[in-house]
Amino acid sequence: AQTVTQSQPEMSVQEAETVTLSCTYDTSESNYYLFWYKQPPSRQMILVIRQEAYKQQNATENRFSVNFQKAAKSFSLKISDSQLGDTAMYFCAFIPSYNTDKLIFGTGTRLQVFP
Amino acid sequence: DVKVTQSSRYLVKRTGEKVFLECVQDMDHENMFWYRQDPGLGLRLIYFSYDVKMKEKGDIPEGYSVSREKKERFSLILESASTNQTSMYLCASSSRPAEAFFGQGTRLTVV
Repeated sequence: AQTVTQSQPEMSVQEAETVTLSCTYDTSESNYYLFWYKQPPSRQMILVIRQEAYKQQNATENRFSVNFQKAAKSFSLKISDSQLGDTAMYFCAFIPSYNTDKLIFGTGTRLQVFP
Repeated sequence: DVKVTQSSRYLVKRTGEKVFLECVQDMDHENMFWYRQDPGLGLRLIYFSYDVKMKEKGDIPEGYSVSREKKERFSLILESASTNQTSMYLCASSSRPAEAFFGQGTRLTVV
């Protein structure tokens, strides 16, 4: 089955600290796409970062970076210098092969950033 | 800016009613999706469409149908609403294989 697992339902971090959110996935394909999405209290879902499986280099977007371990099927998100505005639900998602556009999500991690 | 617009932000319907949730995107995207979001369950795919009049079942299609007669519009239909369909519904669109853009969501309550 093509699934995404987020094992941390809730996490918290102090402002300016670093936090890592975990994600594992399952696919038998070698080419696929991985994403992290953020859903703040406003409910508007927005893309945080994207990784193509054939690229060995980990993607980075400002304070957000990923640790992509293809063999382990792991795709964790690191948020550096956490800000109050990072408080949100974070969803890991993937398109499990190049033969589909089906986008599959995990169950989400609720992140609370404290002052 | 890409816009994905869902017709209602909040909706209350009665059990047994036929319910239409409408979604419109303005970026000429091939793909459109309907998800259901419930606490602890994440986003579960109901249906997605990869072209006009083309659709594919997601993980939880039972009790739902969809319609895509025009590229920009993707409708989710609850044939006979039931209380277990009370949920948040999210529409999204994408151009393969780029990021998906989401609407604001419709919180549907079936009473």
